[in-house]
Amino acid sequence: QVQLVESGGGVVQPGRSLSLSCAASGFTFRNYGMHWVRQAPGKGLEWVAGIRYDGSKKYYADSVQGRFTISRDNSENTLYMQMNSLGAEDTAVYYCARDDCTNTWCYAYWGQGTLVTVSS
Amino acid sequence: QSVLTQPPSVSAAPGQKVTISCSGSSSNIGNNYVSWYQQVPGTAPKLLIYENNKRPSGIPDRFSGSKSGTSATLGITGLQTGDEADYSCGTWDNSLSAWVFGGGTKLTVL
Repeated sequence: QVQLVESGGGVVQPGRSLSLSCAASGFTFRNYGMHWVRQAPGKGLEWVAGIRYDGSKKYYADSVQGRFTISRDNSENTLYMQMNSLGAEDTAVYYCARDDCTNTWCYAYWGQGTLVTVSS
Repeated sequence: QSVLTQPPSVSAAPGQKVTISCSGSSSNIGNNYVSWYQQVPGTAPKLLIYENNKRPSGIPDRFSGSKSGTSATLGITGLQTGDEADYSCGTWDNSLSAWVFGGGTKLTVL
């Protein structure tokens, strides 16, 4: 079965960096676009970044452009997110999600999420 | 503040029908497909509807989606207490060149 398992969350000081991983299994990872979506405490979903199946194109929300970098290793079936210059506004549960649509994006499979807390 | 507007909350009695709206513009809903997600607090979102009105396998036909102009609607019939959750719409925004979610709607089944 499809499994997405995020890791790397934790408490980090403002201005510091953190790297998240999402280990995929149960499907052919290299065939799917992958995304990161976050949810601040008590708030709605916020799309953060996406990457094409082959890594050839990356997309970012304005709120993280220039600070976050999405990447993937298809040989390791793993999605990554490097987060730099973190601020309190980045505190959220971060989910990785698989893009399952052809004509648009849509997310049929999600990980359980990993909590990132930015605090001094 | 999201570019997609949803009511903060809706409520209805068990067995009844409820609709949740998602209002946008020509740069997003008006020219792109919409998907809908259900999220029970503390758990990951679940895809209910994609490409405006298609249901993934395993999603009961009590859930339906529609789109008209720059608005989309999620309908749920035969409400059950297990349907209590937050519901969010999502679509691509051409002006932002980004995926956007609505602010979410909390459904209470009274």
